[in-house]
Amino acid sequence: GENVEQHPSTLSVQEGDSAVIKCTYSDSASNYFPWYKQELGKGPQLIIDIRSNVGEKKDQRIAVTLNKTAKHFSLHITETQPEDSAVYFCAASRITGGGNKLTFGTGTQLKVEL
Amino acid sequence: EAQVTQNPRYLITVTGKKLTVTCSQNMNHEYMSWYRQDPGLGLRQIYYSMNVEVTDKGDVPEGYKVSRKEKRNFPLILESPSPNQTSLYFCASRGAGSNYGYTFGSGTRLTVV
Repeated sequence: GENVEQHPSTLSVQEGDSAVIKCTYSDSASNYFPWYKQELGKGPQLIIDIRSNVGEKKDQRIAVTLNKTAKHFSLHITETQPEDSAVYFCAASRITGGGNKLTFGTGTQLKVEL
Repeated sequence: EAQVTQNPRYLITVTGKKLTVTCSQNMNHEYMSWYRQDPGLGLRQIYYSMNVEVTDKGDVPEGYKVSRKEKRNFPLILESPSPNQTSLYFCASRGAGSNYGYTFGSGTRLTVV
C-alpha cells in the first residue's frame, strides 16, 4: 500500500517569512495530492490540491509543487501570518472508479511567531 | 451551509459498552469515510463507503462496524470498545465529480476507560 512521509514534524517561522513542508510517497500510481490544514479543535480543511499531470499549482500565498520522478511534493506558504499557525497534513491518493482513499502524512505543526 | 456533522463531539465510555458515533452530510455526496487521528500517526482510514449499501475496509477496521442505509448518513459502530480505541475520530465525504477533495466533520473525541 501507499506510504507517505512528511517533514518536518514542527516548524517555527517569523511572520512574513516563507514556510516549506515536504512529503514523499511510495506508490507511483498515486495521482492526486491534497494538503489539509487543521486548526485546534477542528477537522482538517482542504487548502490546495494537485493532480499528477501538473507540476505546480498556486493559490494566493499557497503553492504546491510535485516531482513525480522523485515521488515528492511540497507545500509552500509565503508571507506567513499568525493565522497560518496550524497542523498541516499532506496526503496521496490513487483516483479510481471506486473513489479515492487518502493516505496521510503524520502532520507538521506550523507556528508563525510575531 | 454545506457540512459534515458528527455527534457527539466528546464521549467517555467504559470498556465493552456498545456505542455509535453518527455522521451526516447535507451535500448529497456519494463517498464517505471514517478516519481516526492519533499523535504521531496522522489520520488513518477505518472504513469507507462509495454509496448506499456499499462499504469497504480501510487500513484499521478491526473493532469497528459501519452501515450506509441512507446516502446522507454513515454511522460508526463500536460493538465492544477497548482502551486502544481511545482516539479522535473524523467523518469525511465528497461527491462523485472531479472535485476530489474531502470535507471533514469537526471530530469526535472518544475516551474508553
